[in-house]
Amino acid sequence: NAGVTQTPKFQVLKTGQSMTLQCAQDMNHNSMYWYRQDPGMGLRLIYYSASEGTTDKGEVPNGYNVSRLNKREFSLRLESAAPSQTSVYFCASSEASRAYNEQFFGPGTRLTVL
Amino acid sequence: DAKTTQPNSMESNEEEPVHLPCNHSTISGTDYIHWYRQLPSQGPEYVIHGLTSNVNNRMASLAIAEDRKSSTLILHRATLRDAAVYYCIPISSSNTGKLIFGQGTTLQVKP
Repeated sequence: NAGVTQTPKFQVLKTGQSMTLQCAQDMNHNSMYWYRQDPGMGLRLIYYSASEGTTDKGEVPNGYNVSRLNKREFSLRLESAAPSQTSVYFCASSEASRAYNEQFFGPGTRLTVL
Repeated sequence: DAKTTQPNSMESNEEEPVHLPCNHSTISGTDYIHWYRQLPSQGPEYVIHGLTSNVNNRMASLAIAEDRKSSTLILHRATLRDAAVYYCIPISSSNTGKLIFGQGTTLQVKP
């Protein structure tokens, strides 16, 4: 099992460009999450999907959109990238979105916006 | 969600036990206590979680105070691979499992 995979691993954008970060999991998990991590900081939740067909905002959703394409895939889109969105983006999944469920994280996408 | 206080950094010698403390005095009765760690340049990794009783797994042990206002993650024999940032995260049963990361404790392991 690959677990949680993310593409691309690295990306450089110019201000105003758009891109989509892809995330997939092969653990048949119901819940998926997108986090960002700025240098020297802990992770912050951007959006999450408690189950297929649902998405909700997290702590820092502005400037992002998400799509739960199917049970396996959860994408994060930046419509008009800004330098403030330079960060490392992590996708995670869990069996369900209950307080006792552990989350499994992907390796991250390192995004630089110039 | 409960706030947490962890030391910014700790040091340990290889093959010695490590006790990583976390204060979560505002925790509610139904909050689970999770620990994650993040190795350099990697995504976070689940370590252990508990509610009231002490818990053990292959990676670590979790000791929860009787009043649940604090907990301690115990690595029984630290290895160089255990050098990471350790996050203590109380999770409310009402927050749909969202993780709220603080600053964590940076653990250095000396050979």
